[in-house]
Amino acid sequence: RKEVEQDPGPFNVPEGATVAFNCTYSNSASQSFFWYRQDCRKEPKLLMSVYSSGNEDGRFTAQLNRASQYISLLIRDSKLSDSATYLCVVNSEGTYKYIFGTGTRLKVLA
Amino acid sequence: EPEVTQTPSHQVTQMGQEVILRCVPISNHLYFYWYRQILGQKVEFLVSFYNNEISEKSEIFDDQFSVERPDGSNFTLKIRSTKLEDSAMYFCAKLAGSSNEQFFGPGTRLTVL
Repeated sequence: RKEVEQDPGPFNVPEGATVAFNCTYSNSASQSFFWYRQDCRKEPKLLMSVYSSGNEDGRFTAQLNRASQYISLLIRDSKLSDSATYLCVVNSEGTYKYIFGTGTRLKVLA
Repeated sequence: EPEVTQTPSHQVTQMGQEVILRCVPISNHLYFYWYRQILGQKVEFLVSFYNNEISEKSEIFDDQFSVERPDGSNFTLKIRSTKLEDSAMYFCAKLAGSSNEQFFGPGTRLTVL
């Protein structure tokens, strides 16, 4: 099983739609979780950290399910500018090594 | 957060040549990372560097690779004898304080011919 697994997509959605991505991780000792956004040929940019109680930032909501070892990202009211690859990132307790998923491509269509 | 900068933005080299990729300027940060991303593939951890020493490294980070902080601010990744498969984007990242959040530089595109 891959350490961090994501559906590569692409997810093609119309503007204004709600879309959700999941990411599963294999190491139950994982402690920190993040969603990054990456535009084509650019660096990853932090979208949000994922907290145990779940957290929201504007149109974006992140959830953590430790029992099932997955995190999710929900995007409401999709904008054209949300088109990007969304990367799930996980690191384990006692280590500063970060593992990236392959990313999920989102295309928001006009 | 202050930006992380990297130079050069694009490096073209011949197979077998040495390249040095730079992360500049960095100050007041102790934890740094190098990652690579081969075109169309995922971001891969190479090495973490804490307080002027390698903290962790991946199996990719073999004897061909080395990292240094030669003057207390620049943070470099050296590839001694480049191979075709070293062609990739190389990202430097710093760790932000207590949040464990990483912030990436714009990357260096390395092309090995």
